Amino acid sequence: KNQVEQSPQSLIILEGKNCTLQCNYTVSPFSNLRWYKQDTGRGPVSLTIMTFSENTKSNGRYTATLDADTKQSSLHITASQLSDSASYICVVSGGAGNNRKLIWGLGTSLAVNP
Amino acid sequence: EAGVTQSPTHLIKTRGQQATLRCSPISGHTSVYWYQQALGLGLQFLLWYDEGEERNRGNFPPRFSGRQFPNYSSELNVNALELEDSALYLCASSYGRADTYTQYFGPGTRLTVL
Repeated sequence: KNQVEQSPQSLIILEGKNCTLQCNYTVSPFSNLRWYKQDTGRGPVSLTIMTFSENTKSNGRYTATLDADTKQSSLHITASQLSDSASYICVVSGGAGNNRKLIWGLGTSLAVNP
Repeated sequence: EAGVTQSPTHLIKTRGQQATLRCSPISGHTSVYWYQQALGLGLQFLLWYDEGEERNRGNFPPRFSGRQFPNYSSELNVNALELEDSALYLCASSYGRADTYTQYFGPGTRLTVL
C-alpha cells in the first residue's frame, strides 16, 4: 500500500535554532517528492520538489534531502524564525501509468517560540 | 500575476442544506483540484478537473460534485450537508496533472455546518 509517514507529529523549538523533519514513504514506483508549508487556515505553498536523481535541494533556509534507496526524505530548517511556525507536509507522487497520483502525508506541526 | 482565488472565505450552513464553493485558477492553468481538510487532519483529495472534464475523484460520496467552466474556473457543490462536512476546502490549480506539475493553492473556504 502506498503510504507517506511523517515524524515527528509536532515539534517546538526556540527561534534561531535548527530542526529536521522526516518523511518516509512506501510509494512505488516513485516519481517525485515535494515539501509544502501550510500556515494555519491557509493553503499549502510549495517549498521544494525532487525527482529520483536529486538528493538535495535548497530554498533559502529550507534544505530537503532525498534518499531514494531507503525511501526517506528530510526537511532541514536553518536559523528558524517565528514565521516558520506552520505545518510541513511531505507529498509523494508515484504509481504506474494512469494510476500515478499524489500521496499526502499528515504533516509535522512546527511551533517556533521566541 | 494573480494567484488562485476562492470564494466565499467563510460559509455557514445548517445540516441538510447545500453549499457552493467557487475557485478561479491562475491564468494559463487548465487543471483544478479540490481538497477537504478537516481540523487537525491531512488533505483529502476530492476532485480533479482538467479542460472542463472530471478526470478523477477521491473516496467521497456522490453528494460531493462539481464542474469546471470554459474559463477553467470551478465550482464545488456539497448537497445534503452533514456535520462532518465542516472543514477547510482548498482549491489548487496547475498546468496539468498534479503528479507532474506543481499545484498552487488558494486560501481556502472554511465551511461550518451547524
